[in-house]
Amino acid sequence: SQKIEQNSEALNIQEGKTATLTCNYTNYSPAYLQWYRQDPGRGPVFLLLIRENEKEKRKERLKVTFDTTLKQSLFHITASQPADSATYLCALDAHAGNMLTFGGGTRLMVKP
Amino acid sequence: DGGITQSPKYLFRKEGQNVTLSCEQNLNHDAMYWYRQDPGQGLRLIYYSQIVNDFQKGDIAEGYSVSREKKESFPLTVTSAQKNPTAFYLCASSTAGLPETQYFGPGTRLLVL
Repeated sequence: SQKIEQNSEALNIQEGKTATLTCNYTNYSPAYLQWYRQDPGRGPVFLLLIRENEKEKRKERLKVTFDTTLKQSLFHITASQPADSATYLCALDAHAGNMLTFGGGTRLMVKP
Repeated sequence: DGGITQSPKYLFRKEGQNVTLSCEQNLNHDAMYWYRQDPGQGLRLIYYSQIVNDFQKGDIAEGYSVSREKKESFPLTVTSAQKNPTAFYLCASSTAGLPETQYFGPGTRLLVL
């Protein structure tokens, strides 16, 4: 069966460190993968998109990698700040009609 | 400001009652979506529409209905047939082309009395 897995346990890190979040998928062949940020009680906000033929994408302190052989994407936040604390969701184009399927999200807590 | 609005922020439903959640966008997007999010879980697709007067069921459409009479509006009705409606409901929109980045509204939290 198709699965998108993100670590359901919260990731706790110290301010200034690099946070690394993982998104693994099985039985999908996505053309692209996206990462979203969601704050409590709010809608998700788009962060980055990476295509299947791209290995890495950067935006300011954010970096995303996409390994279609391992079926995995890594999402990095360098020099993390308490304001980065949120839930991060990965999403794949997995449905017909270009719909997105979302993972369960990983909560990141950055402590000062 | 361009964006997506959802109302109300909180909605209470009595047993046997149908309730309608509003979603409006002024981004001129063709596609609109409704998701349900349960505590600690990801988003599950209820319905989506890629063009006015057309919509398709998502993964969990049972107990829900939608309409798309205008490009800007995509209301969701939670019917009495939905036995476990308590959740956070998110509306999103996107352009029709690939790849699609979705823009989300602030959400409506539905609670059962």
